[in-house]
Amino acid sequence: ETGVTQTPRHLVMGMTNKKSLKCEQHLGHNAMYWYKQSAKKPLELMFVYNFKEQTENNSVPSRFSPECPNSSHLFLHLHTLQPEDSALYLCASSPLTGTGGGNTIYFGEGSWLTVV
Amino acid sequence: AQRVTQPEKLLSVFKGAPVELKCNYSYSGSPELFWYVQYSRQRLQLLLRHISRESIKGFTADLNKGETSFHLKKPFAQEEDSAMYYCALPDTGGFKTIFGAGTRLFVKA
Repeated sequence: ETGVTQTPRHLVMGMTNKKSLKCEQHLGHNAMYWYKQSAKKPLELMFVYNFKEQTENNSVPSRFSPECPNSSHLFLHLHTLQPEDSALYLCASSPLTGTGGGNTIYFGEGSWLTVV
Repeated sequence: AQRVTQPEKLLSVFKGAPVELKCNYSYSGSPELFWYVQYSRQRLQLLLRHISRESIKGFTADLNKGETSFHLKKPFAQEEDSAMYYCALPDTGGFKTIFGAGTRLFVKA
C-alpha cells in the first residue's frame, strides 16, 4: 500500500488506559510528523522526526510519547489522557526537512481519538 | 514570529460565483506558501504551492509580498469545491509547517 496509513482509525479509551497510534509511510520520506486536529483549535503540530531523530516537540504534554523506530514508522503512545485530548490525530510525512525551502506534506487519514 | 492568518472561518458562495479565500502571513525572508484542502471524509492533501505557479482544479494563488498575502481564487465555484482549505507556511528552518486556522468553503447550488 502506498501513502501514509494510520491505525486504528477510531479509538475510544478511558483516562487510565494506555494505547498507541501507529503510522506507516511507503513514500520513502525522511521526515514524519504528528499533528492534532480539533474543532476548537487550528491544526497543531505536535512532533517532528527527521531521519528518525526528534527535531521538534511543540510543548506537548508528557502523556503523549512519540516513538520513531525507523524512517517509515511512527508511533504515538498515549497514557492517562484527558477528555480534552479527544481529537483527530494526523500523521504525515515529507521528503526532507531542514532545507529552508519547504516541502509538500503528505497526510494520513487520521485516527479519531475519544477519551472518556 | 511566523504566522499564517485566515480571517474567514466560513465562506459561502453560490455555484458559478467567484470565490476568494484569504490568507495573510508574517515571515522574515522569502516565504514558500501552500494551500491544502480537506474534502469531506478525505485526507488533508496539497492543493497547490506558489512556487509551482500552477492552476489546480481551476484554483490559483498569487504571492503578494507587498501585502503579505497568498489568497486562493477561483473564477467560477463548483459544488465539489466545498471543503476545508488551509493556508500553510514552512518555517525558516524548514523543520515544521505552520497552518492557518482554515476556511470552510460551502458552495451552494
